[in-house]
Amino acid sequence: EAGVTQFPSHSVIEKGQTVTLRCDPISGHDNLYWYRRVMGKEIKFLLHFVKESKQDESGMPNNRFLAERTGGTYSTLKVQPAELEDSGVYFCASSLTGRNSPLHFGNGTRLTVT
Amino acid sequence: AQSVTQPDIHITVSEGASLELRCNYSYGATPYLFWYVQSPGQGLQLLLKYFSGDTLVQGIKGFEAEFKRSQSSFNLRKPSVHWSDAAEYFCAVGAGQTGANNLFFGTGTRLTVIP
Repeated sequence: EAGVTQFPSHSVIEKGQTVTLRCDPISGHDNLYWYRRVMGKEIKFLLHFVKESKQDESGMPNNRFLAERTGGTYSTLKVQPAELEDSGVYFCASSLTGRNSPLHFGNGTRLTVT
Repeated sequence: AQSVTQPDIHITVSEGASLELRCNYSYGATPYLFWYVQSPGQGLQLLLKYFSGDTLVQGIKGFEAEFKRSQSSFNLRKPSVHWSDAAEYFCAVGAGQTGANNLFFGTGTRLTVIP
């Protein structure tokens, strides 16, 4: 089966610009997550979708970040306007329903804001 | 609140030597514990997980980990390291109602393997 797909793999933008990251989960996975790793720090949870609904968005840093999951399929994470501190690697993960279902991660999008 | 500590930022071992990566967690009840590996240019790959039962769990690529409740630890081990094991390793804990879903990660341990 195809894994979790993220694109772009890299993005370099200037402060104040807008960037949209996309994630395609594994087919049939209702749960979709976004995580972020700022350089040298831990990977941190941003938000969790169940199908098209936001289950938990407690990790979203501020209102410059907007996540959507159209029709419960792919998801986008938009940063507008981007700030320097938004630089990092953004990971998407998906899983089946059930507490014991492990997360399957994509390769991540490396975002650099200059 | 849950937290994970990986005290070693960077470890260097010789190929063929044994390896142990440390992980300590903080959580009041029995957690869900994971080790992930990230090779250069790749995503996070699940090495192994512990949910319940036998405290010694076997994973892929010859790795194993042992859950020690008394020490709040879940150390990762491998008896003989291969050059291809050079990567960054992350310990994670999942807990509460969300179980394995919403994870708290450590800061990672970068492994260098020298010939």
